[in-house]
Amino acid sequence: GEDVEQSLFLSVREGDSSVINCTYTDSSSTYLYWYKQEPGAGLQLLTYIFSNMDMKQDQRLTVLLNKKDKHLSLRIADTQTGDSAIYFCAESVNGNKLVFGAGTILRVKS
Amino acid sequence: DGGITQSPKYLFRKEGQNVTLSCEQNLNHDAMYWYRQDPGQGLRLIYYSQIVNDFQKGDIAEGYSVSREKKESFPLTVTSAQKNPTAFYLCASSSPGGERNTIYFGEGSWLTVV
Repeated sequence: GEDVEQSLFLSVREGDSSVINCTYTDSSSTYLYWYKQEPGAGLQLLTYIFSNMDMKQDQRLTVLLNKKDKHLSLRIADTQTGDSAIYFCAESVNGNKLVFGAGTILRVKS
Repeated sequence: DGGITQSPKYLFRKEGQNVTLSCEQNLNHDAMYWYRQDPGQGLRLIYYSQIVNDFQKGDIAEGYSVSREKKESFPLTVTSAQKNPTAFYLCASSSPGGERNTIYFGEGSWLTVV
């Protein structure tokens, strides 16, 4: 079955880079996504990567995809206190259903 | 502005009562979803609908019901059969087949059983 796993917690200092890791199981996933959730709010799409890409960069965000190992990572450069949130990795299954990981809590210390 | 509106933001329910959470979208999306979020468990799919008048059970549909009479609306009823309904509920929508096939979320509704 489908399963997405993430580490639960990451703490970094302001200005450092953050790397959040994710592994997934469905090799047929077309897209993989990163969402951000601030306290008490919905999920905001941060970025996505198509399965035939290895890397995607979008301003401070870099997504790396290793299809062989089914490993996805999100790197946030120059992490700011406003980046503190829960980050969810998700894979698309059967065209339009998303399977989410449990989320990684990112804490940025000033 | 286009978006997904969920209401109410906070809802308290007595045991044995049914409650309905509203979800409206003006993005002209065909597909709509309901997810449940519990601490440390990520999001779990309750129901989804790919087209008006059609919907499918997700991974945790027991104790829930939905309807899709209009494209823009996908209300979720939490019935008394749901044994542990206290959670954060998220509605989402997407346009299947689009370039990114991206799902967009509403701001969520907190349901507490008292």
